[in-house]
Amino acid sequence: RKEVEQDPGPFNVPEGATVAFNCTYSNSASQSFFWYRQDCRKEPKLLMSVYSSGNEDGRFTAQLNRASQYISLLIRDSKLSDSATYLCVVNTGNQAGTALIFGKGTTLSVSS
Amino acid sequence: DAGVTQSPTHLIKTRGQQVTLRCSPKSGHDTVSWYQQALGQGPQFIFQYYEEEERQRGNFPDRFSGHQFPNYSSELNVNALLLGDSALYLCASRFQSYEQYFGPGTRLTVT
Repeated sequence: RKEVEQDPGPFNVPEGATVAFNCTYSNSASQSFFWYRQDCRKEPKLLMSVYSSGNEDGRFTAQLNRASQYISLLIRDSKLSDSATYLCVVNTGNQAGTALIFGKGTTLSVSS
Repeated sequence: DAGVTQSPTHLIKTRGQQVTLRCSPKSGHDTVSWYQQALGQGPQFIFQYYEEEERQRGNFPDRFSGHQFPNYSSELNVNALLLGDSALYLCASRFQSYEQYFGPGTRLTVT
């Protein structure tokens, strides 16, 4: 079983749609969780950290379910500029070692 | 406030050669990690440096080595290059928190 698994998509949605991405992780000792966004041939950029209580940043909502080892990202009112690859990321280290484990990414294409 | 910078942006090498990639962390950050991203894959962790020591290492062979300098900048060295080493090499930095910030990467092509 891969450490972090995501549906690769692609997800093709019209502008204004709501889209949800899911991710599962295998290591129950994982401590920190993130969603990164990566545009074609660019570096990953931190979109948001994910907290157990769930968190929202504008049109983006992230949820974490530790019991099911499941992370989600919801994007509301999709914009053309949201087209990118979304990477689910997990950290299993302690302060001395904080390697990020990435999923392969889910591709989103928003069309007008 | 400068973000993470990397050099060079692109590099073409031949099999068997050696390469050195460089990274300067974001201002105020003291921990640097290196990742390899092959086409169509997520980044894979190579190793992490803190206080000029390798603190954690991923599943990469000894051909991959690194260094961190007193100013927190870092180098990634790869010896005896293979075709499979062709990838985007990303440097990420952080300070205390778990959030890491990436540089633009070095695209390495091995022919």
